Amino acid sequence: KAGVTQTPRYLIKTRGQQVTLSCSPISGHRSVSWYQQTPGQGLQFLFEYFSETQRNKGNFPGRFSGRQFSNSRSEMNVSTLELGDSALYLCASSLEVQETQYFGPGTRLLVL
Amino acid sequence: AQSVTQPDIHITVSEGASLELRCNYSYGATPYLFWYVQSPGQGLQLLLKYFSGDTLVQGIKGFEAEFKRSQSSFNLRKPSVHWSDAAEYFCAVGPTGGGNKLTFGTGTQLKVEL
Repeated sequence: KAGVTQTPRYLIKTRGQQVTLSCSPISGHRSVSWYQQTPGQGLQFLFEYFSETQRNKGNFPGRFSGRQFSNSRSEMNVSTLELGDSALYLCASSLEVQETQYFGPGTRLLVL
Repeated sequence: AQSVTQPDIHITVSEGASLELRCNYSYGATPYLFWYVQSPGQGLQLLLKYFSGDTLVQGIKGFEAEFKRSQSSFNLRKPSVHWSDAAEYFCAVGPTGGGNKLTFGTGTQLKVEL
């Protein structure tokens, strides 16, 4: 079974732009979560989706948003990019809520 | 609020030596505990997990971890380290809030000397 896939793998943007990242979960998985990883803050939870509904949100500004589609694929969007948004964005999927999460390879975003 | 502490930021071991990575957690209920490994530029790979039952859990790549409730610990061990084990290791607790949120430790960078 294919793992979690994320596109694109690398992205360079400038301040003020917006970006959309995509995540395709493992087939059959209905829950998708997003995490931000930076050297200074480590791994931080952004939000999670289950059956197209956001169930939980981390402590991030409203510039960070996401959605989930009926096929469980998920996107996250960051508007008005700031230098501090440079990070590795990881997506994880699980069969159901409160089950083991499997991570994708991540999207590395660089904001200049 | 839940938290995870990995006291060792960097650890260096010789190939063939044993390894123990420490993890302490703070959690209000019976925790779900995980160890993930991350190679440079990669995502997180699940090594093992503890949900309930036997407190000694076996994982992939010859790793094991022991849950000790009295010490709030979930230390990762491997009897003989291989050079390919060099990576960053993350302990995590969760999920919480009825959802899927995992709280991660700051990670331990493992270096293996040949």
